[in-house]
Amino acid sequence: QKEVEQDPGPLSVPEGAIVSLNCTYSNSAFQYFMWYRQYSRKGPELLMYTYSSGNKEDGRFTAQVDKSSKYISLFIRDSQPSDSATYLCAMSTLPQGAQKLVFGQGTRLTINP
Amino acid sequence: NAGVTQTPKFRVLKTGQSMTLLCAQDMNHEYMYWYRQDPGMGLRLIHYSVGEGTTAKGEVPDGYNVSRLKKQNFLLGLESAAPSQTSVYFCASSYGGGDTDTQYFGPGTRLTVL
Repeated sequence: QKEVEQDPGPLSVPEGAIVSLNCTYSNSAFQYFMWYRQYSRKGPELLMYTYSSGNKEDGRFTAQVDKSSKYISLFIRDSQPSDSATYLCAMSTLPQGAQKLVFGQGTRLTINP
Repeated sequence: NAGVTQTPKFRVLKTGQSMTLLCAQDMNHEYMYWYRQDPGMGLRLIHYSVGEGTTAKGEVPDGYNVSRLKKQNFLLGLESAAPSQTSVYFCASSYGGGDTDTQYFGPGTRLTVL
């Protein structure tokens, strides 16, 4: 069993829809939770960063962490065609030295105009 | 400010050949990382470095070697390439330390081993 599980999709929704992306994990020591966005043939870029449990909002994006269920989510409101990309969740334990990220498989998202 | 750059962008090797991938960053970051990305596997950490002259193993280090002779450069070497090493390789760097340390990724190198 992988430490981090993410449905690879693909997921296709119409423009303006609310998108929900999710990951589950098995390691209760994970404390830092991230969402990366990766456009086709590009490197990942950090989208959201959350520590421990709770919600974090940044514009149209909301990240949620439920440590009791070992479940994290990313919501995209008013989705745009420019949001079409692969979304990767990543997590790490309390960093001592380098931040060794464990990634999910990534969910490929397409927003249709 | 170019950020993180990787050389080459593409490469095709035959089994048993060797090559070196170069990662360079101009952000004065202490930490650097090498990942590989395979379909259905996400990104997996190969090796990392917490400063000039240091290296450490990640999740999937076998078949790879690394060197960090200069702070701005992190080299990934394949001594005898195998088809299982066909992948997209990403380098990342971060300032180093702290709870909110952010890794910045390069554009990737697509490697095919025949």
